[in-house]
Amino acid sequence: DQQVKQNSPSLSVQEGRISILNCDYTNSMFDYFLWYKKYPAEGPTFLISISSIKDKNEDGRFTVFLNKSAKHLSLHIVPSQPGDSAVYFCAGASGNTGKLIFGQGTTLQVKP
Amino acid sequence: NAGVMQNPRHLVRRRGQEARLRCSPVKGHSHVYWYRQLPEEGLKFMVYLQKENIIDESGMPKERFSAEFPKEGPSILRIQQVVRGDSAAYFCASSQSSGGTDTQYFGPGTRLTVL
Repeated sequence: DQQVKQNSPSLSVQEGRISILNCDYTNSMFDYFLWYKKYPAEGPTFLISISSIKDKNEDGRFTVFLNKSAKHLSLHIVPSQPGDSAVYFCAGASGNTGKLIFGQGTTLQVKP
Repeated sequence: NAGVMQNPRHLVRRRGQEARLRCSPVKGHSHVYWYRQLPEEGLKFMVYLQKENIIDESGMPKERFSAEFPKEGPSILRIQQVVRGDSAAYFCASSQSSGGTDTQYFGPGTRLTVL
């Protein structure tokens, strides 16, 4: 049962443009969502999170949007930079369990 | 660097041998999580530990796998009698408090190859 799905395995955008990475979930018990970025041969690095009581959270070039009725969240990166090229994972969490449920990841390539 | 440390970074074992993976959490963090990433897949939760206690091991295979987080020293993920299907990247994460709302910080991972 894939509780968190990232249906786009890859995304390619031009430097300076917006990158939009999408994530869908099925578990209504999730009350917190996180995005992580991962470079090859490294561990995931935390990017940004959002509580289920909010619909938007912004941190610099990164904004996460949450649509609870659609069970959908998205990560916007603007402007995109070549250094943003990495695999992006979204994850859901329930406040009382601690464990993160990850999607399969989306590989973002930002072309100069 | 006070981040999560994992060793070894790479581990090669033959089928039937034992693998021991170590994780030192961020200083001051008492919550440790282990995840496994198979090739071309996302990270899958294995086990959540606090000092000397296993809180949630729902993602851990019932046989051959065990984990501990002793009062002193690193957390250990132990895989006995490894098989080829155990080949994966194993990541450890730590957090300061419990619950999904506290950010988990990941180590660089241990890449296990079973020959």
